[in-house]
Amino acid sequence: EAGVAQSPRYKIIEKRQSVAFWCNPISGHATLYWYQQILGQGPKLLIQFQNNGVVDDSQLPKDRFSAERLKGVDSTLKIQPAKLEDSAVYLCASSLDPRQYGYTFGSGTRLTVV
Amino acid sequence: GQSLEQPSEVTAVEGAIVQINCTYQTSGFYGLSWYQQHDGGAPTFLSYNALDGLEETGRFSSFLSRSDSYGYLLLQELQMKDSASYFCAVKGNTGFQKLVFGTGTRLLVSP
Repeated sequence: EAGVAQSPRYKIIEKRQSVAFWCNPISGHATLYWYQQILGQGPKLLIQFQNNGVVDDSQLPKDRFSAERLKGVDSTLKIQPAKLEDSAVYLCASSLDPRQYGYTFGSGTRLTVV
Repeated sequence: GQSLEQPSEVTAVEGAIVQINCTYQTSGFYGLSWYQQHDGGAPTFLSYNALDGLEETGRFSSFLSRSDSYGYLLLQELQMKDSASYFCAVKGNTGFQKLVFGTGTRLLVSP
């Protein structure tokens, strides 16, 4: 099966600019996750979708971050305006449902804010 | 909340056995998972322990002791390609079962 697709692979922007990341999960996977991974740390969950509804966004900085999953398939994560501390890898993952214990991750988008 | 601690780095030589420990504090969880991540790559699921004890998958084994709030990943017959970061993660037992990752351990395998 095809894996989780993410784009772009790399992005460099200046602070206060906006940026968007795209994710296409594995076909049929109802649950989609966006994680933020700062260099040297473990991934941190930003938002979890079940189909096209948000079920957990407790750690999403809602003043600058937004995400959507239209039609319950692919998803976009946006940052506006970006801060220096947003420099990280943004990983998208998917699973058949929330109970599945093994997620499939994409290779991520490495964001550098200068 | 949940927190998971791991050693930051472990070194070993090819052919050896290495154990990566994970201690956690959580109010409740379904199970402990392990993921491997090569530099610049995606985290890849390795194993899952729902119950106490040892789970074996080829060269990799994982162990969980809920009474000790402790688990480990055991890698045998180390190969150069095993050089990567390894993360433990707990799957919450409330709501939509959020997966929370540990701090990660960088494994360096030398010839």
